[in-house]
Amino acid sequence: AQSVAQPEDQVNVAEGNPLTVKCTYSVSGNPYLFWYVQYPNRGLQFLLKYITGDNLVKGSYGFEAEFNKSQTSFHLKKPSALVSDSALYFCAVSGNNYGQNFVFGPGTRLSVLP
Amino acid sequence: DSGVTQTPKHLITATGQRVTLRCSPRSGDLSVYWYQQSLDQGLQFLIQYYNGEERAKGNILERFSAQQFPDLHSELNLSSLELGDSALYFCASSVQGYEGRETQYFGPGTRLLVL
Repeated sequence: AQSVAQPEDQVNVAEGNPLTVKCTYSVSGNPYLFWYVQYPNRGLQFLLKYITGDNLVKGSYGFEAEFNKSQTSFHLKKPSALVSDSALYFCAVSGNNYGQNFVFGPGTRLSVLP
Repeated sequence: DSGVTQTPKHLITATGQRVTLRCSPRSGDLSVYWYQQSLDQGLQFLIQYYNGEERAKGNILERFSAQQFPDLHSELNLSSLELGDSALYFCASSVQGYEGRETQYFGPGTRLLVL
């Protein structure tokens, strides 16, 4: 069965500094990986997905994620954090490209301090 | 505004009742997805439809059912409601399904409270 871990409940970073939100996964077969964001009192938004191909996936709002097969990780990154990036971030994995066994991680709360 | 609409925004009902949540996808999007977010279970994928047919199934309970109509809007039916069904229910849409490279767009959600 697929599983996703987000080892940090909370990440604090100063505005202008690079940010990383960590995600590790377990899946049988090739993984299909996703990042979503939920801003305070707002709905979900899709950030990016990895299907196959380049290990660095570019997404919305300047975010990117690095796929590392040997470490089974898919960390979300941004070179320079903004206060407006403060939100709840969810990593997700699917066992195939049709959403089989699609599982979300528990979420990581990112706080960007001015 | 994502272009995905969900009605109603809020719903309060009693245990044992049945409710229907509605989602209208963005114009041109063929896929609709349903998700549940609760304090106990976190975020869960429930089900996905593509052009009227069920494409992927997640942790959807047998008491729940969904369908996508010819005009591509979708309904999620929740029956024999329990306190634990209280949650925020999101729908999303995209042109293709999970296999596509394009963005999913989310609706604002329906907040369900079961008393």
